Amino acid sequence: AVQVVESGGGLVQPKESLKISCAASGFTFSNAAMYWVRQAPGKGLEWVARIRTKPKKYATYYADSVKGRFTISRDDSKSMVYLQMDNLKTEDTAMYYCTAGYSGPFDYWGQGVMVTVSS
Amino acid sequence: DIQMTQSPSSLPASLGDRVTITCRPSQDIGIYIRWFQQKPGKSPRLMIYGATNLANGVPSRFSGSRSGSDYSLTINRLESEDMAIYYCLQHNDYPLTFGSGTKLEIK
Repeated sequence: AVQVVESGGGLVQPKESLKISCAASGFTFSNAAMYWVRQAPGKGLEWVARIRTKPKKYATYYADSVKGRFTISRDDSKSMVYLQMDNLKTEDTAMYYCTAGYSGPFDYWGQGVMVTVSS
Repeated sequence: DIQMTQSPSSLPASLGDRVTITCRPSQDIGIYIRWFQQKPGKSPRLMIYGATNLANGVPSRFSGSRSGSDYSLTINRLESEDMAIYYCLQHNDYPLTFGSGTKLEIK
């Protein structure tokens, strides 16, 4: 069965950094594009970042709201994807979901990890 | 950026009803639209891909369609387990953008 499990969330202060992780199993990880999507409390869904596969040179894409501050990466040998978040702002407070895409974005979702940015 | 205008934002309905949720993109997206269901405290779930295709395990009472520049998600014979928030997503171009969501609730 497909499993996507996020970890590493927590409470941080503004301008601090945090790295969240995602472990995937049950599908051929190296063939899947990986994404992060976030949802602020009581709000809708917002796409954050995408990383493509090795044949696509691990190309990355970011929402304008996080470009220059967040970095997505992956380790195919461990079936892991990461989101390094620097210079965090209060508006980054959200549930962060790791998702995998084969035929298109967001085929499989994790349960989410909460990131709270507050002083 | 492509804006996805989703309506209605709230949809009271009765069990057994047929309901329709609509998204209109700000520019052409072809068939690159997906629909997701999110229940309270849960992760979103893919329901429809390629505008009209049912994702694995999704009941056949769900369907997706396109009419001109409008895309719709229809649920026939509404059941209690269908009460959730539904989002459309365009993936024709980056940034990927979601609709603002439709909360389907029991009347």
